[in-house]
Amino acid sequence: GQQVMQIPQYQHVQEGEDFTTYCNSSTTLSNIQWYKQRPGGHPVFLIQLVKSGEVKKQKRLTFQFGEAKKNSSLHITATQTTDVGTYFCADPGRALTFGSGTRLQVQP
Amino acid sequence: DTEVTQTPKHLVMGMTNKKSLKCEQHMGHRAMYWYKQKAKKPPELMFVYSYEKLSINESVPSRFSPECPNSSLLNLHLHALQPEDSALYLCASSQPLPGPSRSPLHFGNGTRLTVT
Repeated sequence: GQQVMQIPQYQHVQEGEDFTTYCNSSTTLSNIQWYKQRPGGHPVFLIQLVKSGEVKKQKRLTFQFGEAKKNSSLHITATQTTDVGTYFCADPGRALTFGSGTRLQVQP
Repeated sequence: DTEVTQTPKHLVMGMTNKKSLKCEQHMGHRAMYWYKQKAKKPPELMFVYSYEKLSINESVPSRFSPECPNSSLLNLHLHALQPEDSALYLCASSQPLPGPSRSPLHFGNGTRLTVT
């Protein structure tokens, strides 16, 4: 079946450093969503990408959708302690299927 | 704050108990979901209701029984669970869209279930 993998599984950065998580699908995606889950919390929707090669920005967060619509990335510039959490890409397809997630820890 | 409300927040039950998890949303969404999440893992889809009808059942064991009494409510009835069923159970809702495109999911805070 379709799988959506993310790398890395875990990243520990110093506050102010940049962070990137990559999402790869075994099949072409019609679109992709990104969610953030804080420790002890629930997933919260961040953004949806639809078009091939699309780039969207939300303040320090930059989201990209690959030209072939099989991969996506989330880049955070100058991380802050409030960025701590697990970032999931998700394939909305038949029903929302989450990627494996990247857990981000930010050292103050 | 979440617009999807789940109760209870925590639940401890024995393997012979029967309990129910409840979920409510008042956003006018017509699709509702149950997910199961184990520690340090992504949420796994269990059931999807669309317009109060069960549209997806991801081969979930029959000891989990979903129910959608109306467009605002979603229940998950639990019976004869196993310790490995201990997890965070998340409810979510969205507007159903035609085709593969899907509106964002709004999640509740979850019910943390422990089966002893």
